[in-house]
Formats: sequence, C-alpha cells, structure tokens
Amino acid sequence: LAKTTQPPSMEAYEGQEVNVSCSHTNIATSEYIYWYRQVPHQGPQFIIQGYKDYVVNEVASLFISADRKLSTLSLPWVSLRDAAVYYCIVTSTGNTGKLIFGLGTTLQVQP
Amino acid sequence: EAAVTQSPRNKVAVTGGKVTLSCNQTNNHNNMYWYRQDTGHGLRLIHYSYGAGSTEKGDIPDGYKASRPSQENFSLILELATPSQTSVYFCASGDAYYEQYFGPGTRLTVL
Repeated sequence: LAKTTQPPSMEAYEGQEVNVSCSHTNIATSEYIYWYRQVPHQGPQFIIQGYKDYVVNEVASLFISADRKLSTLSLPWVSLRDAAVYYCIVTSTGNTGKLIFGLGTTLQVQP
Repeated sequence: EAAVTQSPRNKVAVTGGKVTLSCNQTNNHNNMYWYRQDTGHGLRLIHYSYGAGSTEKGDIPDGYKASRPSQENFSLILELATPSQTSVYFCASGDAYYEQYFGPGTRLTVL
C-alpha cells in the first residue's frame, strides 16, 4: 500500500478556495486515490476518488499530477461547515475495501 | 445515502467485563467494517466482513471478536475489556470499492 503525506493543518477564511495536497510517491499502477473528510464527533465521509487527470463532483475537485505522485483536493468557497480533517487514501482495488487512514489534514475555517 | 447506526453511542465498562458494540445498516451492503480511532493514530481497522456469516481480521484484531449474523448487523465483541480499549469505535458499510458509509461512532470508556 502506498504511503501518503499530507500537511498536518491548514487555515482558511470563509469564501476562499482551499487546496489540500497529498503526496504518494510510491503509488502503484493498480492504486486509486480517495479523499474522505471527518467533522468532529462524526464518522468519515467520502468526498471524491480518482485515478488520473482531473475529477469533479458537486462537492470538490481532484487534480492528479501526470506521474500520479501528487494529488490536490480543491474545495471552492469554503464555509465553516467545511472545517474538518481531510484524509487522502491510496489503495488498490485488489485490496477488497480495506482503507488505511493516516492522520489527515485538519482544516480550520475562520469567519 | 446509506444509513449506518451504532449502539450504544456511549458506554462505560469495567476492566474484565464483556462489551458488545452493535452496528446496523439498511442499504443492503455486503461489506461491513469496524474501526477504532485514537488521538495520534487516525482510524485503524479491527475486523471486517464480506457478508452474513463471514468475519475477517483487520490490522489490529487482538482482544476483539466480530459477528455478522445477518446482512444488516455486524457486532464487535470485547470478551475481557481492558483500559487500552478505551476509544471511539466506528462501524462502516459499503459495496462500491472504497466508498464506505460510516456510523456516528461509539465512545467506549473502560475503567
């Protein structure tokens, strides 16, 4: 399983766009990139997943570098509700659903 | 969206006692998971299941047993609870690769 590296914390103001980076230098060709977030006193919630290039959904967008060693989760127009821990997870479809969570990135949002 | 519920939400147990944490999901997912979350460790996988009657060991199974009597229910059992098992426990379910739906968590304190 590839190891991921994320900044431990970030700060932003409401209305800003926030980009959370994740380094996965040893990612294998069979591995995908998943992002989850966890607000206090709740379980993690799936945000987005991708394999290469650019993925977007109603919540966020995900940019993956051409060599797939770096991914960036982009949150447009953050609000106080986006304050959470954001987890980048890299794993293979052959691993049948097992997720390995690191410590993630704690995003603080100021009004 | 998948609904995952856990009971109890809070539990205080004594050392050496038996504790059962219950999880129920209503979206007919095949896979279910139990994690624990401790400060400084993120979420760690204890046991998981691919369907009724099956249980598999996760990354930290020692001191825990699991039971999957039906598609909907997945229990985590601590036969002889110890203070080191004080933690927040999350149950999750899912079918699509790695998109897991988490419950609200159970806070367990072992005195």
